[in-house]
Amino acid sequence: DFVVTQSPDSLAVSLGERATINCKSSQSVLYSSNNKNYLAWYQQKPGQPPKLLISWASTRESGVPDRFSGSGSGTDFTLTINSLQAEDVAVYYCQQYYDTLPAFGQGTKLEI
Amino acid sequence: QVQLVESGGGVVQPGGSLTLSCAASGFTFRSYGMHWVRQAPGKGLEWVAFIRFDTSNAYYIDSVKGRFTVSKDNSRNTVSLQMNGLRGEDTAVYYCAKDRGYRSPDGLLENWGQGTLVTVSS
Repeated sequence: DFVVTQSPDSLAVSLGERATINCKSSQSVLYSSNNKNYLAWYQQKPGQPPKLLISWASTRESGVPDRFSGSGSGTDFTLTINSLQAEDVAVYYCQQYYDTLPAFGQGTKLEI
Repeated sequence: QVQLVESGGGVVQPGGSLTLSCAASGFTFRSYGMHWVRQAPGKGLEWVAFIRFDTSNAYYIDSVKGRFTVSKDNSRNTVSLQMNGLRGEDTAVYYCAKDRGYRSPDGLLENWGQGTLVTVSS
């Protein structure tokens, strides 16, 4: 079974600074036939459903500000938020979709 | 635009049953698979189930296998989650979500509903 683990569980960053969230999968999510990493990032603001931010480990969804970026390959991934804004306060989840049964990390709560 | 509206949540006793529904609009429903994801109060996201666009197959997390059944009515643009043998640990907000893949599951949950709360308690 795939296990996805995020670190840290919570993070406090000052406005304008950089936030870094890590995600580790128990197995590689890199599909060799297409060289794609089946790893996504979601943002969930209080009282709202999650929102897809990044797919394929590093592809921003339409409308997502370019201060959000994803990186990594295989089993280790990072979500970086540059120039943190007040509206970025949320819980961030990574998700592997390599396996038939998708799995989320436990979430990282980002605070100012 | 894509709209997903869940309904059917409520309070149910342990061992009871409940059926959740999700009404979809704004896309060609018959061409996309649908997921259910839950979130216990104050906790993280847990993927629960997926049904393929053509209902040919369904997948479940181990903890609900044999108790939950996902179904999809492509004529009514609805996906449902029949939940039997409910336990306290099933208490959560249940979200339906549209898979991004056109006629082929991709595992990306592109659009989400607002969720419906299920509380299992005596």
